[in-house]
Order: sequence, then structure tokens, then C-alpha cells
Amino acid sequence: AQSVTQLDSHVSVSEGTPVLLRCNYSSSYSPSLFWYVQHPNKGLQLLLKYTSAATLVKGINGFEAEFKKSETSFHLTKPSAHMSDAAEYFCVVTGSNDYKLSFGAGTTVTVRA
Amino acid sequence: SAVISQKPSRDICQRGTSLTIQCQVDSQVTMMFWYRQQPGQSLTLIATANQGSEATYESGFVIDKFPISRPNLTFSTLTVSNMSPEDSSIYLCSVEDHVMTDTQYFGPGTRLTVL
Repeated sequence: AQSVTQLDSHVSVSEGTPVLLRCNYSSSYSPSLFWYVQHPNKGLQLLLKYTSAATLVKGINGFEAEFKKSETSFHLTKPSAHMSDAAEYFCVVTGSNDYKLSFGAGTTVTVRA
Repeated sequence: SAVISQKPSRDICQRGTSLTIQCQVDSQVTMMFWYRQQPGQSLTLIATANQGSEATYESGFVIDKFPISRPNLTFSTLTVSNMSPEDSSIYLCSVEDHVMTDTQYFGPGTRLTVL
């Protein structure tokens, strides 16, 4: 079975400063890993996806994530936060059946002006 | 990526009634999924809906409470039956990517409040 742990339930940053959202996973397989973002009153949007092609994955809106197998981590970063980055972020891992997604509990990001 | 719409976007319902949520996709997809997101929580898969077959429900979810239809490759409905306040949640549908079948795209969600 697979599982995801998002280490921070809430992250607060100032506009223009870096953002780091931490995610650890466990899986018996070679999983695919994702980050999704959910803006207030919106659905989920795919930010980026890791599928073993490269350990550093670039996504939309300046986000990137690094896969570290030895640490079973998939942390999400952005060099400079923007007010529009305020949202809920979910780290997600696939299981043995590709379509079975396991979601982390989510990290709420607030951005201070 | 697929464009997904849901109707209604939100609703307020009385306990004991039922609500049917529609999910429409702009392209043909094999698998569609229904999720529930309870207030302040993450997403939980309710069921998987393939066209032409019965939906497959996850542990804790039953067909009598959440009947699902999948009449064609672009449309599905989820009904929340005999509602109680505990059913107040966001219900989201998703579809898998045509090529990368481990990747899902989500609709905007239906925000349900049961009084």
C-alpha cells in the first residue's frame, strides 16, 4: 500500500520569498508522484508530475519539485511567492493500480503582502 | 488536458432528499472517478465509473447511498441519496489522461450543504 505525509499543514510566506512544501511518501512500487493545487472555491489543478524520467520536475507557475528516492521525499518549491499562490496544495502518489491516487492531507499556503 | 464541467456548482439541500451531480467531459474517456472532500479534509475516492459497466465502489461507500450512472464516454452522474448533514462536502469528478493513465484531471467540484 502507498501513503503520503505532508509535513506542514500550513505555510505562511511573504510575497517574493521562497516557498517550500514538504512531502514524504511510502510505496511498495515505483510510484508516480504529483502535486495539485486547489484555489479557494475551485477544483484541483495539476502543478507537476514525476514519473522517473528526471528527479527535478518543473511545473506550471514557476513551481518545481525534486524527487529523492533515498529520502522518499518529493518537496515542492518556488523561488519567489506571489499573492496568487495562496491556495491548498496536495501531494499525491499512485498505487499499484495507476488510477488509485492517495492524497496527502494538504498544505495551506498563505502569502503576506 | 480534458475540460471538465460539473452541475450544479453548489447546492443547499434538506436532509432526507437526494441530489444528482452531473459531470461532463469535452472528450471521450474510458475511466471517470468520483471523489468526496469533506470540510477541511483531503480527497477520498468514492467510486470508479467505466462506461458500460457497474461502478466500482471503495470501502465505506455503497451503491444505495451513492448510485452512479455512466451512459456514455463523456458523461457521468453521482447521486447522493437520503442526505444527512454529514454528507456536506465537495464532490469532484475526475478523468484519466488518454496517454498517461496515471494522471487525472479534476472538475471544479460541487459544493453541497445539507441542512
